[in-house]
Amino acid sequence: DTGVSQDPRHKITKRGQNVTFRCDPISEHNRLYWYRQTLGQGPEFLTYFQNEAQLEKSRLLSDRFSAERPKGSFSTLEIQRTEQGDSAMYLCASYGGSKTQYFGPGTRLLVL
Amino acid sequence: GESVGLHLPTLSVQEGDNSIINCAYSNSASDYFIWYKQESGKGPQFIIDIRSNMDKRQGQRVTVLLNKTVKHLSLQIAATQPGDSAVYFCAENLGDSWGKLQFGAGTQVVVTP
Repeated sequence: DTGVSQDPRHKITKRGQNVTFRCDPISEHNRLYWYRQTLGQGPEFLTYFQNEAQLEKSRLLSDRFSAERPKGSFSTLEIQRTEQGDSAMYLCASYGGSKTQYFGPGTRLLVL
Repeated sequence: GESVGLHLPTLSVQEGDNSIINCAYSNSASDYFIWYKQESGKGPQFIIDIRSNMDKRQGQRVTVLLNKTVKHLSLQIAATQPGDSAVYFCAENLGDSWGKLQFGAGTQVVVTP
């Protein structure tokens, strides 16, 4: 257990529905990252926060995706109008300045 | 574009033998590299890291080697155990901000008795 939690662990949804995932990082860590991982591939960077500020977004993050970290603690990632291509593992990682990035267990999304 | 990749998709190793996992990177500006282990259904777990001003770093049963001349990274696992069976990823820090990582595709390590 790295101390980073994600909820839910699994989500099955129908195409066109909206989904929201939550990440709770290690409490004193000021940076939080979101990655997406498809089967057989390494994680791909989506976006990251420094405290409550979203500092960078990947081109992978279409306008259907939005992420927030309102109080600089937990973060949410929302996908609107889900598509089958959104099926993946969504990983959150927490970073507190020691170079090591700690990953949560991920939320596995399946869009039918 | 520039990317991190792995030479071997699957590595079968007998228990007790040493494992070597290789990784090629192409971003010469990367200054920090990490190896992660990922077991089925779990997030990546940090194993060991190395900065670009080093060529070797050792941990418990693991050693990372960095060859900047040929842009090659390797992970050596000594006395491989069944618990080492997992997918291993190398990742590089993309220069301008700590923590934004680019991962390779991964190598599946299978430890046989």
